[in-house]
Amino acid sequence: AQKVTQAQTEISVVEKEDVTLDCVYETRDTTYYLFWYKQPPSGELVFLIRRNSFDEQNEISGRYSWNFQKSTSSFNFTITASQVVDSAVYFCALSERMDSSYKLIFGSGTRLLVRP
Amino acid sequence: DAGVTQSPTHLIKTRGQQVTLRCSPKSGHDTVSWYQQALGQGPQFIFQYYEEEERQRGNFPDRFSGHQFPNYSSELNVNALLLGDSALYLCASSRWWQTVYGYTFGSGTRLTVV
Repeated sequence: AQKVTQAQTEISVVEKEDVTLDCVYETRDTTYYLFWYKQPPSGELVFLIRRNSFDEQNEISGRYSWNFQKSTSSFNFTITASQVVDSAVYFCALSERMDSSYKLIFGSGTRLLVRP
Repeated sequence: DAGVTQSPTHLIKTRGQQVTLRCSPKSGHDTVSWYQQALGQGPQFIFQYYEEEERQRGNFPDRFSGHQFPNYSSELNVNALLLGDSALYLCASSRWWQTVYGYTFGSGTRLTVV
């Protein structure tokens, strides 16, 4: 079965530190997408990044970067120079095919606390 | 451009009662999925609606039902509420052919069953 594991339950850093959130996934699909979502206290899941299974090129977008390694089924997410506003719960998610459409399988989340 | 809107924001119900949650998808989206997020957990897929039909269902009992209207908005109904149904219920929308690219989520309805 498809599965997403986020082993880090909670991370606490001081502002301006870099922080990496780990994600490991299991899937039977040959084509899939991986996502990172941010959930602030308001509850809304905010889309951050998406990567498809055919593209292992790692990228940087502003203060965000990600490291996708198909060989180890990992999709780690790094925030550079963290800020207090980055404090939230971060979810890694995997698309799972359901006949003609897809649903998202989420990990259990990593709570990030950035201290001033 | 309004995103996904959900109502109500918060709700308190008594065990055994029934509840209806509402969702309006993002403009241009025709597919609505519902997720349940228990405290400290990741969201879990309940079901998906497209063209006013339930297309897929997760591992949830029949007490959970839904509906999609011609304007693509959707309702989630839960009957015979249990204490364990207390959770944040998230609505997510997409275009049917773009669901592989992910969904836009609302802020959720926080349901407390007492």
